[in-house]
Amino acid sequence: QQQVKQSPQSLIVQKGGISIINCAYENTAFDYFPWYQQFPGKGPALLIAIRPDVSEKKEGRFTISFNKSAKQFSLHIMDSQPGDSATYFCAAPAGGNEKLTFGTGTRLTIIP
Amino acid sequence: DGGITQSPKYLFRKEGQNVTLSCEQNLNHDAMYWYRQDPGQGLRLIYYSQIVNDFQKGDIAEGYSVSREKKESFPLTVTSAQKNPTAFYLCASSPSRDLSDTQYFGPGTRLTVL
Repeated sequence: QQQVKQSPQSLIVQKGGISIINCAYENTAFDYFPWYQQFPGKGPALLIAIRPDVSEKKEGRFTISFNKSAKQFSLHIMDSQPGDSATYFCAAPAGGNEKLTFGTGTRLTIIP
Repeated sequence: DGGITQSPKYLFRKEGQNVTLSCEQNLNHDAMYWYRQDPGQGLRLIYYSQIVNDFQKGDIAEGYSVSREKKESFPLTVTSAQKNPTAFYLCASSPSRDLSDTQYFGPGTRLTVL
């Protein structure tokens, strides 16, 4: 069964700083790695995703970096803002590419 | 107003009672999913359905049951066999079974078993 290890569990970053969250996966036959953002009391929403025919994908202040040989991918949030305070989940395909396995989540807090 | 609706937002039940959580989508999506969220454990897949009248067990299906009689509806029943049912339950849907299709989540139902 696919496992996705996400770190850190919680992260505090000053406003304007860079937030970095890491994920490692075991095996996958399908390359698709999304990141979801969840605010308290709400359902998660897709933030950004990568299909690693490229090693990096950038959307505004959010960047996914992917290292296929190490089976690792990370989310970078540049110029972090208080509105970015949320829980972030990475995910990787599992089960014959019929489902996603999610990481345990990172609670990000941006302080002034 | 399109999207995924889950009702109720909060649900309280006595131990030993079955309870059914509602999930409805008007996005015309083929695939639907049920996840359970517990603190520190992320999202764990309970059941999923890629087409009407068909569904598969996820990673933690024991003590749960589902049906998919209509494309827009995927109700989840938490049975008395589920040993620790208190949790936040999330329903999601995606346009197809293709994993690169975005999964859209509902607002969730917080179930508390007393």
